[in-house]
Formats: sequence, structure tokens, C-alpha cells
Amino acid sequence: GENVEQHPSTLSVQEGDSAVIKCTYSDSASNYFPWYKQELGKRPQLIIDIRSNVGEKKDQRIAVTLNKTAKHFSLHITETQPEDSAVYFCAASKTITGNQFYFGTGTSLTVIP
Amino acid sequence: DSGVTQTPKHLITATGQRVTLRCSPRSGDLSVYWYQQSLDQGLQFLIQYYNGEERAKGNILERFSAQQFPDLHSELNLSSLELGDSALYFCASSPDGLAYSSSYNEQFFGPGTRLTVL
Repeated sequence: GENVEQHPSTLSVQEGDSAVIKCTYSDSASNYFPWYKQELGKRPQLIIDIRSNVGEKKDQRIAVTLNKTAKHFSLHITETQPEDSAVYFCAASKTITGNQFYFGTGTSLTVIP
Repeated sequence: DSGVTQTPKHLITATGQRVTLRCSPRSGDLSVYWYQQSLDQGLQFLIQYYNGEERAKGNILERFSAQQFPDLHSELNLSSLELGDSALYFCASSPDGLAYSSSYNEQFFGPGTRLTVL
């Protein structure tokens, strides 16, 4: 089955700096890669996603890059703000076989004011 | 609010007992997914139903079972509970679990059911 690894497990940055979280996946057939943000005690919420036919996607301060050859994808958050503090999960799925998500182990991001 | 509802919010029970968790997907979503979130295991996929039929199984124990009813709500049954089953159980729904279109692949998570086994 799919195996998703995520690094780092914890990340602290100063407000205004950038944060980068990296994930690797094992199944070359995976074609959909969402990123979820989970605040303490709350549900995971999608912040950005990317499909395998796209190399990069950006939404305001958030961007995701995908390298299919190397089987890794990264989340980039620029101009970080205290409200960006949360746990971030990457995931990989194969939409043609049901779209079940295989999640990374999460990154706890702390933005220091 | 994602539109996905889960009941109950909290559940406290004893080892050996059986519980049922309930999930109502967003209106129109055909796929329901169950995930278990524990401190040491992260978010783990358990099982998926699509329009009433089981579509995929993940790391679901034999003591656990699920079903999706004609009105598309789903129930996750956990039996012979052990201390290690204590976790947050999330249900998620998406419009179509097979479509090759990003608009159909996003999964919307419910608020979760926190299960504590004593």
C-alpha cells in the first residue's frame, strides 16, 4: 500500500518568515495530493491540493510543489502569521481506486509573534 | 462547518464493550470515509463506502465494522473494545470517490467522535 512520510514533525518560525514542510510517497500511481490544516481539537480542513499533472499550485501565501519523478511534494507558507500555527498533514491518494487518503504523520507548526 | 455531522461527540466506555459511531455526509456526497486519529498512529484510513457499497479497506481491525445505509449515512461499529482503541474517529465525505477531477476529490471532515476506553 501507499506510504507517506512527512518532515519535519515540529517546526517553529518567526512571524513573517517562511515555512516549508516536505512529504514523500511510495506509490507512483498516486495522483492527488491534498494538504490539511488541523487546529487543536478541530477537524482537518483542506488548505490546498495538487494533482499529478501539475507541478506547482499557489493560493495567496500558500503554495505546493510536486516532483513526480522523485515522488515528493512540499508545502510552502510565506509571510507566516500566528494564526498559521496548527498541525499540517499531507496526504496521497489514487483517485481511480477510490480516493482514500494516506496521510503523513503531521507537522506541528508554531509561528512565534 | 463542513456539512458533515458525527454523533456522539464524546463517548466513554469500558473495555470489552461495543459502541456505534454515526456519520451523516454532506448532501449529495456519495463517498464516506472513516479515519482513526491517535497520538502514536496519526490519521489512519479505516474504510470507505460509496453509494452503499464497501469500496476500500485500510487498517481496519476485524473487531470493527461499518456500513452505509440507503440514505447514505454511515455507522462504524467497534466491538470488544480495548484501551488502545481510544482515539478520535473522523468521518469524511466527498462527492465521488473515483472521479478524476479535483472538485470531486476533496474530502470534507466531520467534527469527530472522541472515544475513551477505560
